Amino acid sequence: EIVLTQSPGTLSLSPGQRATLSCRASQSVSTNYLAWYQQKPGQAPRLLIYGASNRATGIADRFSGSGSETDFTLTISGLEPEDFAVYYCQQYGSSPQTFGQGTKVEIK
Amino acid sequence: QVQLVQSGAEVKKPGSSVKVSCKASGDTFSNYAINWVRQAPGQGLEWMGEIIPIFRTADYAQNFQGRVTISADESTATVYIELSSLRSEDTAMYYCARGTFWSDRYYYLAMDVWGQGTTVTVSS
Repeated sequence: EIVLTQSPGTLSLSPGQRATLSCRASQSVSTNYLAWYQQKPGQAPRLLIYGASNRATGIADRFSGSGSETDFTLTISGLEPEDFAVYYCQQYGSSPQTFGQGTKVEIK
Repeated sequence: QVQLVQSGAEVKKPGSSVKVSCKASGDTFSNYAINWVRQAPGQGLEWMGEIIPIFRTADYAQNFQGRVTISADESTATVYIELSSLRSEDTAMYYCARGTFWSDRYYYLAMDVWGQGTTVTVSS
């Protein structure tokens, strides 16, 4: 099983600032099948990034993903008020699929 | 535009079983995997298993082996998850989500469409 470790656990930032979230895998993620999701309270997760660096349909270009093999990053270039949420990484290339434990981006 | 609509909230006694449904509409159903993901209160996301309806066989997370059954009814475009021997730790929101696509080979896809979630509460 691939274990995904996200850091930091909580990120306290102000609107307009840049957010950098990390996701580290215990072994190489097959063909960069790595996704990022955003979840707000009371809502289902929403897909932001797939294939490590591809934005999902309708996702603003301030969200970008990068990385390969075991180290991946989600960057939000300028935080908007609606971006304060919890973010999860997930690998979907091998079974069992696994999620990181999440990073909460909160308003400073 | 595909939508996944889940059945309503459930309250169950410890030791009993629960069956949650996820009905798809608006797009090709049988060739896409439907995943089940659960989230305990205040916790993260946990993958439970998936099924591609045309194959009828499911893949399960080891944590749930022997207690979970995922099935599909192509005639109604509905996928089900049944969890048995319920305990208080199974209290969670259960989500279905569309994933991998099959057409001559697997196209591994992230979960792009999610159901609204079904709350399952296990309490005596």
